Amino acid sequence: EPEVTQTPSHQVTQMGQEVILRCVPISNHLYFYWYRQILGQKVEFLVSFYNNEISEKSEIFDDQFSVERPDGSNFTLKIRSTKLEDSAMYFCASKIPGQQAEETQYFGPGTRLLVL
Amino acid sequence: AQKVTQAQTEISVVEKEDVTLDCVYETRDTTYYLFWYKQPPSGELVFLIRRNSFDEQNEISGRYSWNFQKSTSSFNFTITASQVVDSAVYFCALSSYQAGTALIFGKGTTLSVSS
Repeated sequence: EPEVTQTPSHQVTQMGQEVILRCVPISNHLYFYWYRQILGQKVEFLVSFYNNEISEKSEIFDDQFSVERPDGSNFTLKIRSTKLEDSAMYFCASKIPGQQAEETQYFGPGTRLLVL
Repeated sequence: AQKVTQAQTEISVVEKEDVTLDCVYETRDTTYYLFWYKQPPSGELVFLIRRNSFDEQNEISGRYSWNFQKSTSSFNFTITASQVVDSAVYFCALSSYQAGTALIFGKGTTLSVSS
């Protein structure tokens, strides 16, 4: 069964460093998302991406964040200068658009980011 | 504004007990989707069920059942004859019917099933 994959599974970085989190969405999906979950808290939406552009973003998704689909398979989240409060689990999700039966976002296993 | 409330932070049960996880939502949309996801200790988010707002039929899948009541804006989840493997955090989520919109999650309910 196709699934969303994410790399790395864990990343430790120093405050102020740039990190890139990578995701490979399910191959025929066209909507892509990033969410984050601070330890012990709820899952929060960051950004959605469709047709090579951001379609929606939350207040969390400030200028420090960017997303890109550099090729036909990868979807990346870049944090330019990490802060301690960026420590969280980051989930990628993807979805087929359109038909009601496919309005489900499927999540990857997550990347646990720790900023020291 | 959309909001999902899961008032139960933690629930502990003994194996074979039935347990119901509550979910109450707020939305101004007339059509929307509701979801339940499971997050086991390994951390991934596993999709369990999707319901659209114009389908109020309850659903049963094995030991899982869902009760959607639009009149009370609730979408509750019942596990019958719970098992230790059901131990996880369960999230209820809401999205607009419009394509591509974000999921709004509740804070989750941690279910612990002991043997």
